[in-house]
Amino acid sequence: DAGITQSPRYKITETGRQVTLMCHQTWSHSYMFWYRQDLGHGLRLIYYSAAADITDKGEVPDGYVVSRSKTENFPLTLESATRSQTSVYFCASSDAREGGYNEQFFGPGTRLTVL
Amino acid sequence: QQQVKQSPQSLIVQKGGIPIINCAYENTAFDYFPWYQQFPGKGPALLIAIRPDVSEKKEGRFTISFNKSAKQFSLHIMDSQPGDSATYFCAASTYYDKVIFGPGTSLSVIP
Repeated sequence: DAGITQSPRYKITETGRQVTLMCHQTWSHSYMFWYRQDLGHGLRLIYYSAAADITDKGEVPDGYVVSRSKTENFPLTLESATRSQTSVYFCASSDAREGGYNEQFFGPGTRLTVL
Repeated sequence: QQQVKQSPQSLIVQKGGIPIINCAYENTAFDYFPWYQQFPGKGPALLIAIRPDVSEKKEGRFTISFNKSAKQFSLHIMDSQPGDSATYFCAASTYYDKVIFGPGTSLSVIP
C-alpha cells in the first residue's frame, strides 16, 4: 500500500530494554522525521533525516538513535528505555523537491508504554 | 526563540459557532506557518498554511489571519461542525528547516 506506515502500532516494554520503532514510506520522499507527542507539549522533534545516510538531532534526541540506510526506511531505537519515554511516536516524511516549504505526511503513530 | 505558543489549550463550541485558535512566535526568521489537524488515533494532517506576505488565507470554512508586526496568527473555523472536533496544531518554519509545532488545541464542537 502507498503511504507511510509505522510498526508496531502498540508496544509495551520494560525499563532498560532496547526497543525499535519502524517507519516505512513509499513516496521516495527525501525528508523523514520522528516526533513524540505528549500532552501539553504538542509534537516535539526527536531526529530528522534529509536523505539516506544523513541524520540530525531535533529538540529531544537524548536516549534515541536513528539510522537511514535506505530512503524509504527510518527506524528509531530506544537503546535503554525509560519511563519518561512513554509516549506516542509519529514518523513523518516530506518531499524537498517542490521548493522548501513542504507538507509533512504523518504515519498513524506508535503508542509506547515503558513499565 | 524557536518556540511557538498556542492558546487556548482546549475549546468547546456549539455547532455553527466560530472557534478561534491563536498562536504567537518570536523568531522573525519564520516564514511559513502551517496548521495541522489531528483526529483521535490518527497522525496529524496539513489543513492550511500561510506565508507572511499575505494577511489572510481562506480554504473552505477555515481561515488563517496573520499579523506580521505582532508576530501572531490565528485559525478561524466558520460554521463549525461536530466533524471538526479534533486537535489543531499551529506551526512555523523557515525555508528547508524543521517545523516547530505549538502545543495543540483540543476542539470539541457540540451538536
